Amino acid sequence: AQTVTQSQPEMSVQEAETVTLSCTYDTSENNYYLFWYKQPPSRQMILVIRQEAYKQQNATENRFSVNFQKAAKSFSLKISDSQLGDTAMYFCAFGPSGNTPLVFGKGTRLSVIA
Amino acid sequence: DTEVTQTPKHLVMGMTNKKSLKCEQHMGHRAMYWYKQKAKKPPELMFVYSYEKLSINESVPSRFSPECPNSSLLNLHLHALQPEDSALYLCASSQDSWGGDTEAFFGQGTRLTVV
Repeated sequence: AQTVTQSQPEMSVQEAETVTLSCTYDTSENNYYLFWYKQPPSRQMILVIRQEAYKQQNATENRFSVNFQKAAKSFSLKISDSQLGDTAMYFCAFGPSGNTPLVFGKGTRLSVIA
Repeated sequence: DTEVTQTPKHLVMGMTNKKSLKCEQHMGHRAMYWYKQKAKKPPELMFVYSYEKLSINESVPSRFSPECPNSSLLNLHLHALQPEDSALYLCASSQDSWGGDTEAFFGQGTRLTVV
């Protein structure tokens, strides 16, 4: 069974600074997908970024980028120029290929401080 | 329209009540999901509907009864709940059957309190 570990329950960062959230996973599969979801106080889960395991190039989405290390089974999220609106719970998720649900990590609560 | 709409946003119910949660999407998605989320925890999958048929039931107690009347609507019928069932209930949808290669869109959830 796949597992996802987020080792940082809480983090804080000053506005405009950069922060990195860590995520490791365990799987025996070769083809899969990795996701970072954001859940602000409004409660809605929002997809931040997605990475296909077969792609070596790290995904980027504006201020959000990932450092995907397939051999190490690591998938960290870097947020540049942090903004107050980035304050949220961030969940790392593993998505097997095929008809199998996502596996979520326990989440990291990020606070951006003015 | 990339919205998943859930109603009500908040619900308080007694242990003997019967209530329903509603979820609606108009993105043409054919897969819909119910999740349960306790405070400061990740979402836990409850049910998956694919093409209006129940495809996954994660051993959810029978006091939770899902229903998918059509491809745009998903209901969760609640009966004889316990206080420990109090949680945020999230609905999600995706283009096709659940797989890691498809993006899921989530609603804002229903905050349920059982008294």
